[in-house]
Amino acid sequence: DTAVSQTPKYLVTQMGNDKSIKCEQNLGHDTMYWYKQDSKKFLKIMFSYNNKELIINETVPNRFSPKSPDKAHLNLHINSLELGDSAVYFCASSQGVSQAYTFGSGTRLTVV
Amino acid sequence: KQEVTQIPAALSVPEGENLVLNCSFTDSAIYNLQWFRQDPGKGLTSLLLIQSSQREQTSGRLNASLDKSSGRSTLYIAASQPGDSATYLCAVEESGNTPLVFGKGTRLSVIA
Repeated sequence: DTAVSQTPKYLVTQMGNDKSIKCEQNLGHDTMYWYKQDSKKFLKIMFSYNNKELIINETVPNRFSPKSPDKAHLNLHINSLELGDSAVYFCASSQGVSQAYTFGSGTRLTVV
Repeated sequence: KQEVTQIPAALSVPEGENLVLNCSFTDSAIYNLQWFRQDPGKGLTSLLLIQSSQREQTSGRLNASLDKSSGRSTLYIAASQPGDSATYLCAVEESGNTPLVFGKGTRLSVIA
């Protein structure tokens, strides 16, 4: 029944590992996003996809690679994890311009 | 570059008080402004969305206003309750296909 679901909810991993976070929305929305919330709780956009096409790619290291197999899914793969990647990552979706966003519950990534 | 500022950063009030949260943005050319609520360890819940052509939106005890020309919005919470305790985030959508730009939030505590 969940509108935007992310897995896993928690992820603890060592530096240098590669990990993926999955996101799925069942709202039929065209646009999906990844946001990063840092330790100071500031939310910053990372990527935006519209109908599986990359629209926005903010200044994010290329160790982060989003993949959208279809418009209901937007996964985030991170290579060579670093301590500074520790944060909460939120997936969101919207129907389009000037529409309300729906957020997932977040994935807390801790790199040790 | 759009910047969103929220004042105060934290607020503590006794139960039953009416309160106002403030949000300002630097570029008034926006499509809409959205207010969200974030509970600790949880995702964001959309509260109100005000289109650029609107002046205010209401939902229950919440009322959000928008003054685009001055780059300001307020979120008014009437008769506050302990369950209103959360972080309230303001975000603006600048144009079509640009993702939301968030403020850093106001952390609200309502004391019983």
